[in-house]
Parts: sequence; C-alpha cells; structure tokens
Amino acid sequence: DQQVKQNSPSLSVQEGRISILNCDYTNSMFDYFLWYKKYPAEGPTFLISISSIKDKNEDGRFTVFLNKSAKHLSLHIVPSQPGDSAVYFCAASSAYSGAGSYQLTFGKGTKLSVIP
Amino acid sequence: KAGVTQTPRYLIKTRGQQVTLSCSPISGHRSVSWYQQTPGQGLQFLFEYFSETQRNKGNFPGRFSGRQFSNSRSEMNVSTLELGDSALYLCASNVGTGVPYEQYFGPGTRLTVT
Repeated sequence: DQQVKQNSPSLSVQEGRISILNCDYTNSMFDYFLWYKKYPAEGPTFLISISSIKDKNEDGRFTVFLNKSAKHLSLHIVPSQPGDSAVYFCAASSAYSGAGSYQLTFGKGTKLSVIP
Repeated sequence: KAGVTQTPRYLIKTRGQQVTLSCSPISGHRSVSWYQQTPGQGLQFLFEYFSETQRNKGNFPGRFSGRQFSNSRSEMNVSTLELGDSALYLCASNVGTGVPYEQYFGPGTRLTVT
C-alpha cells in the first residue's frame, strides 16, 4: 500500500515557466513533508520541507504548498531552468511518532524536463 | 563540511554471497539511515541507527542487517544475496534529535547481483 503517491511519472515544462509537481498521501499521521531532487548516479538532494502547522513554505524559486484536508502537497518552481531537470521525490514523516521521525516514506518520483 | 560518504560506489556479487556496505555520516550527525532504491519500488526505508542502536526498521527480511559504531559510521550487511537485491543502496544522515527531519544522502552504492 503506497502511502505517498506521485501520480505523474514525468513532466515537461518550457524554460522560464512554472513547474508544478504534485504529491498525495494517505497516512494521516504524516505531519512533516519534504521534497528531494535527484540526478542520475547521485544521491537525493534535499530541497525544501514543510511542517503540517504551515500551509506554505518558500525558498527562492521553490515553494511548497500543503493542503492537509486534501492530503495533498505540491512543489512550485518559478522560473524553471534547464538545470532543474531531474527526478523529484516527495517524502513524508511523522514528527510525533518519536523514534519514527527520521523514517522517511517516499513517493516514486516525477521526472521533470525543462526545455530550453 | 564534508558530506555523507559511501564505499564502495559499485559492487558486483554472485547469488548466495554476502556483502557489506559502509557509510560515514556528516560530522556531528548521530543518526544514519539506509534506503534501497529500485526502479519498481522506488526508495524504501531499511533501518535507522542512532548512537549505536537500531531505532527504526523497515519491512525487509532478516538477511538485511546493520550496525553503527561509536564514531557514528555505519555498515549494512546483506547475507545470502538474491537477484532481487540488485539496487542502489543509499545512506543518509541527520543530527538525530528534534527538528528538522531532513535526511542528507550520500551518493549510494550500486549493487549488482548476478
């Protein structure tokens, strides 16, 4: 049973436009969410996170939105650049599960291609 | 500050053999987690160690084991290798106490079982 779902395996966007990557989760115990970017032959790189007490977190060109009632989060990249082309993973953890806080549950990823 | 390092980067083993992978976390990080990445299943949590104790464990068979040393370095062992164990094994570290819960990943060890 997949608790974190990224339903779009791939996404193509023109350079300079907005990229929107989506993620849904089913476990209501999740209350901390993260986005990672991964290039081939490298480990995932942390991008941005959000706690469930917030509905938006922004860091430069990256903004994450959280809709708890819909159990949905999204990552917006504005403007998109060719160097953003990578696989993006959504991940979740349960901050209040004590020892489980550092166990991340990942979606299967969305491959973003930014076309020059 | 140096990042997470993993050795070896690539490994080829035969079915039935065992393998040990090594991970050195970021200096000052006491939590080390291991993940398996395969094309079909994505990134799956194996286990987490904190201060030499296994704190969390994912749904993997007992053939997968690990340990952590007093300097926070960690090793992961897979015994009686199966073809399905072919994967990228990722190690990640975190301070291990309180927020934030971000994991910082190493480059991974690519294991191929033939």
